Amino acid sequence: GESVGLHLPTLSVQEGDNSIINCAYSNSASDYFIWYKQESGKGPQFIIDIRSNMDKRQGQRVTVLLNKTVKHLSLQIAATQPGDSAVYFCAEKGGGYQKVTFGTGTKLQVIP
Amino acid sequence: DVKVTQSSRYLVKRTGEKVFLECVQDMDHENMFWYRQDPGLGLRLIYFSYDVKMKEKGDIPEGYSVSREKKERFSLILESASTNQTSMYLCASSPLGEGTAETEAFFGQGTRLTVV
Repeated sequence: GESVGLHLPTLSVQEGDNSIINCAYSNSASDYFIWYKQESGKGPQFIIDIRSNMDKRQGQRVTVLLNKTVKHLSLQIAATQPGDSAVYFCAEKGGGYQKVTFGTGTKLQVIP
Repeated sequence: DVKVTQSSRYLVKRTGEKVFLECVQDMDHENMFWYRQDPGLGLRLIYFSYDVKMKEKGDIPEGYSVSREKKERFSLILESASTNQTSMYLCASSPLGEGTAETEAFFGQGTRLTVV
């Protein structure tokens, strides 16, 4: 179902620590799961995706983990930097369709 | 670099006006999308298009229509603007293909629409 909350969940992390942002998804038939980053005043920007037949994928300083058993997705950011401060959205893409459905977002605040 | 350009950053319209939001992409992408973004609700898909003159309803199409006469341009139309359509509108495009090509959507800067 859709969240109707008015406030974004916020994660505060000390600079240099690792960040873990979590997301629960609903559609078991999704082919891909994706993470986007949105900085203030900008449109979302693609970070990394993972295919549904994988459970882990690594990028530069980021790792995405997929647990299909509990329908859970996480984004791990290593050595968090001030430039990582943003809102992070998880998204899923269903099979056979071109549309991508977004979650409600998590705000990451990096404390210098 | 891929560029998705939305015609206005800020727009103020009156209730009942017909409003056009324009989006142009320069990477020959097949897919184009319109989302609205509201606090705490994330991005919700209004309409998308996977080819010229083709359109599909997203999750919240009521009160909106779209037009895709050319591959590079996707227009969102508010037939009769209402105050509950005050929002940030985001256009995106993505190529048709396998793997990451299908999921990496490129977004415009957004149009902040206020209906008074």
